[in-house]
Amino acid sequence: DIQMTQSPSSLSASVGDRVTITCRASQSISNYLNWYYQKPGKAPELLIYAASSLQSGVPSRFSASGSGTDFTLTISSLQAEDFATYYCQQSYSNPPTFGGGTKVEIK
Amino acid sequence: EVQLVESGGGLVQPGGSLRLSCATSGFTFSSYTMNWVRQAPEKGLESVSAMTESGGSTYYSDSVKGRFTISRDNSKNTLYLQMNNLRAEDTAVYYCAKGHRRDGYSSWGQGTLVTVSS
Repeated sequence: DIQMTQSPSSLSASVGDRVTITCRASQSISNYLNWYYQKPGKAPELLIYAASSLQSGVPSRFSASGSGTDFTLTISSLQAEDFATYYCQQSYSNPPTFGGGTKVEIK
Repeated sequence: EVQLVESGGGLVQPGGSLRLSCATSGFTFSSYTMNWVRQAPEKGLESVSAMTESGGSTYYSDSVKGRFTISRDNSKNTLYLQMNNLRAEDTAVYYCAKGHRRDGYSSWGQGTLVTVSS
């Protein structure tokens, strides 16, 4: 199975901050990488698919990049509604494994 | 509006069975791969099972293979997960999600809680 490692596991930031989350795959996955976010008690929501494509309706302050084994998700200016847990998911092969999550908390 | 509504969760003893359902609306169900993803309490996400549009291809995680069976009824726009021989480690919120992994899971249900305990 392909292992997905996210860092950091948690971070504290303020509204307006630029935030970057990284995700590393245990082997090359080309651009087969999705990003989700999840608020407590809610279902996950798709943010980014195919490493850098913004899902319809997702604000443009979210962007992502990467290929091969290293990927990043960036929030250019953190908003109050962005405090949540973020997960990467490799979609290269079954099982479609998720990273362990990055919890973004209010500083 | 796309809607996915899970049901069928509850408390079950180890070794017992449950059948989860995911009723959908707002999209052409028969055109999409459908998935079950679970989340144990205070833990991350795990893809459990998936089934292609016509049901011709399925996927199961190693942790549930041989115990869980995914199925779908395209005439009823509904996805199912039959869970047998349940274990304590199957305790989780179970979500159904729409879409092939390559496109990302674009819509999710609200989840249904399965608790396996004596």
